[in-house]
Amino acid sequence: GAVVSQHPSWVICKSGTSVKIECRSLDFQATTMFWYRQFPKQSLMLMATSNEGSKATYEQGVEKDKFLINHASLTLSTLTVTSAHPEDSSFYICSAKGGTYSGNTIYFGEGSWLTVV
Amino acid sequence: SQQGEEDPQALSIQEGENATMNCSYKTSINNLQWYRQNSGRGLVHLILIRSNEREKHSGRLRVTLDTSKKSSSLLITASRAADTASYFCATPKGSGDKLTFGTGTRLAVRP
Repeated sequence: GAVVSQHPSWVICKSGTSVKIECRSLDFQATTMFWYRQFPKQSLMLMATSNEGSKATYEQGVEKDKFLINHASLTLSTLTVTSAHPEDSSFYICSAKGGTYSGNTIYFGEGSWLTVV
Repeated sequence: SQQGEEDPQALSIQEGENATMNCSYKTSINNLQWYRQNSGRGLVHLILIRSNEREKHSGRLRVTLDTSKKSSSLLITASRAADTASYFCATPKGSGDKLTFGTGTRLAVRP
């Protein structure tokens, strides 16, 4: 079945630095991917919609200059957390919709743990 | 917030017992989905129920949907220790494939 892969699975970075998280659809093309954020023992909150070949659409309250999203190809979206702070530490999950061959199901990646120290 | 509410927040049962989780949402929907999340991992899609369906089964899972009450329930029968996870309901957010997730139920199945 369709698989969505995220990399890295976990990352530790220093305050003030930037970190990039990749989301790849492995066996299907995804014109749209979604980025969610999840704090421990809480639910997932949608951050933004990543559109291939165009600008991302951000949810209310999400800083687009802090969370840079680039959807450079039909199989890759990246989320860059710029000038990271400890409060950005969280679990980041992406999702992508499989094509009609995959039953139009939405698949989620395994998530990426970000710890900012 | 449009986030749905789930109850209970946490549930601990003995292996073999049934587990029931409830989800309430706020807006009209055309479908509702249930997902499972093992600790620190991604989400696994369990089942989708459409607004014109009242009940749906998949293996040991039974989902109901009451659009008049804006609520859904997930029943796991004959639970196993491996069912220990968090369970989330999700409804469409606006148009397209964005999702609004419920607050989740953390299920612990004791062997």
